[in-house]
Amino acid sequence: DIQMTQSPSSLSASVGDRVTITCRASQGISNYLAWFQQKPGKAPKSLIYGASSLQSGVPSKFSGSGSGTDFTLTISSLQSEDVAAYYCQQYYDYPRTFGQGTKVEIK
Amino acid sequence: QVQLQQWGAGLLQPSETLSLTCAVYGESFSGWNWVWIRQPPGKGLEWIGEFNHRGSTHYNPSLESRVTMSVDTSKNQFSLKLSSVTAADTAIYYCARGFPRRGVYSEIDYWGQGTLVTVSS
Repeated sequence: DIQMTQSPSSLSASVGDRVTITCRASQGISNYLAWFQQKPGKAPKSLIYGASSLQSGVPSKFSGSGSGTDFTLTISSLQSEDVAAYYCQQYYDYPRTFGQGTKVEIK
Repeated sequence: QVQLQQWGAGLLQPSETLSLTCAVYGESFSGWNWVWIRQPPGKGLEWIGEFNHRGSTHYNPSLESRVTMSVDTSKNQFSLKLSSVTAADTAIYYCARGFPRRGVYSEIDYWGQGTLVTVSS
């Protein structure tokens, strides 16, 4: 299985800060990488596919980059509504695998 | 607007079979992949498997011996069965749609609301 490792596991930042989350794959996955947001008590929401393409309706403050083994999710200006856990997932190979998640909080 | 609505028994005894169904509203059922994912309380996401648009299934090897996925195109529904459950199968189970944008490479775009399944004697 392809292992997905996210860092950090949690972070605390101020409103308006730029936040970056990293996801590393144990082998190359081209750009078959998705990001999801999960707010407390809710189902996940799809944010990004293809490492950098926004799902329909996702605000442009979210952006993704990377290819191969190293990927990032950036929130350009953190707001209170962005408090959530964020997960990466590879869909290059079966079984699909997720990172362990990054919990984002407001300082 | 695509909506996935899921249901199934929320409390099971050890050794029973988990059974969940997910109905798809708002768009054609054919041409998409249908996915199940679970999340133990307070933990991360685990991919269970998918039924793809070509009619084949892919299961997580860790669950493969106990999992069966199926679709009912006449009802726009797909289902998950997991046999011989134990407390380790306690989780929120999510159905989801996979968009086969590039053939076998399909990303999840829509999720169901989740169903908490508790296994306890």
